[in-house]
Amino acid sequence: NAGVTQTPKFQVLKTGQSMTLQCAQDMNHNSMYWYRQDPGMGLRLIYYSASEGTTDKGEVPNGYNVSRLNKREFSLRLESAAPSQTSVYFCASTSSSDEQYFGPGTRLTVT
Amino acid sequence: GENVEQHPSTLSVQEGDSAVIKCTYSDSASNYFPWYKQELGKGPQLIIDIRSNVGEKKDQRIAVTLNKTAKHFSLHITETQPEDSAVYFCAASKGTYKYIFGTGTRLKVLA
Repeated sequence: NAGVTQTPKFQVLKTGQSMTLQCAQDMNHNSMYWYRQDPGMGLRLIYYSASEGTTDKGEVPNGYNVSRLNKREFSLRLESAAPSQTSVYFCASTSSSDEQYFGPGTRLTVT
Repeated sequence: GENVEQHPSTLSVQEGDSAVIKCTYSDSASNYFPWYKQELGKGPQLIIDIRSNVGEKKDQRIAVTLNKTAKHFSLHITETQPEDSAVYFCAASKGTYKYIFGTGTRLKVLA
């Protein structure tokens, strides 16, 4: 039981490049989330998926897109990376009793 | 809008002493209050949670208290140990797939 896994762990992009962050969970959870974590600002919700086939915007969705590929996988795409998207990105999934489990994170730097 | 304020931002205690971290939430409809521990380079890990129908919950050396009237909740760690050193986050949720996080408290336990 691996919990929530994310790839890659680290990534450096140039401004304008695109990339997809991958996330998978093996806990059979319906809800999945993408957050970004910046110093002094806690965790901010980018997008979430309440169930397979649905996605909704969170607090900071601009510049991002998501795909809920199936119940296990939820990917985050940056179409044209900007320096303001330099951050640590966390994927999470939530159990039916509201317990939220986080992945190890992806540290992204945009130059 | 909805927000969660967390204090203090940093806290240093001697090994064996107690540590208390406080959070205040704004949305009176919030009914689930988790606490997370984040070690360096890792994702947040759920350590304890409390629901609005309970005033206190304890798990070994950690406890959480909730005051619904005042809209605040606190994390208490007793007999602190060096391995308790980490960043701690509180959050509040009202069951709508949205979790509002505090900005974190960096706890240092001094040996």
